[in-house]
Amino acid sequence: AQSVTQLGSHVSVSEGALVLLRCNYSSSVPPYLFWYVQYPNQGLQLLLKYTSAATLVKGINGFEAEFKKSETSFHLTKPSAHMRDAAEYFCAVSEEAGGTSYGKLTFGQGTILTVHP
Amino acid sequence: DAGVTQSPTHLIKTRGQHVTLRCSPISGHKSVSWYQQVLGQGPQFIFQYYEKEERGRGNFPDRFSARQFPNYSSELNVNALLLGDSALYLCASSPSVFSGNTIYFGEGSWLTVV
Repeated sequence: AQSVTQLGSHVSVSEGALVLLRCNYSSSVPPYLFWYVQYPNQGLQLLLKYTSAATLVKGINGFEAEFKKSETSFHLTKPSAHMRDAAEYFCAVSEEAGGTSYGKLTFGQGTILTVHP
Repeated sequence: DAGVTQSPTHLIKTRGQHVTLRCSPISGHKSVSWYQQVLGQGPQFIFQYYEKEERGRGNFPDRFSARQFPNYSSELNVNALLLGDSALYLCASSPSVFSGNTIYFGEGSWLTVV
């Protein structure tokens, strides 16, 4: 069974500082990995996804993530935080189930990012 | 192009009542999924429908049911509402059931059970 662990339910950074949000996954087969962002009272917006092409994935709003199979990790980073990055971030995994394409996402618990002026 | 649309956006129901939530996928998308997001947690998978057939079901009781129509829109029904059903219900669409597809989410329906 697949699972996702996001280390740190809250992360606080200063504006202009590096953002690092951690995600580790458990999957019995090569997974597809996603990062979504959720602003208050809104749905989920895709930031980026990994689908077994390049291990370093670039997304929207300056975010990127690196797939590390040996560490079963897919951490999200951004070199310089902006106030508008304050939101909740979710890591998710999708995998083939029993040899059948499924498309179901399993989410982590989320990490709330706070950006201080 | 319109994204995933859901209705209603907010509703309040009493324990024991029934609720129907509606979703229209992105044009051309044939797969619709439903997720429940309780405050402070990540979304939990409820159902996936593709070409009007149920393709997956999460760990939810039989009080939860869904269907997909010929135009690929979908309804989620919840019977005998409990206080614990209070949550944001998210509908998502994708072109197919391929696991690498991008899944697009709607803004959600906020359900409060009192």
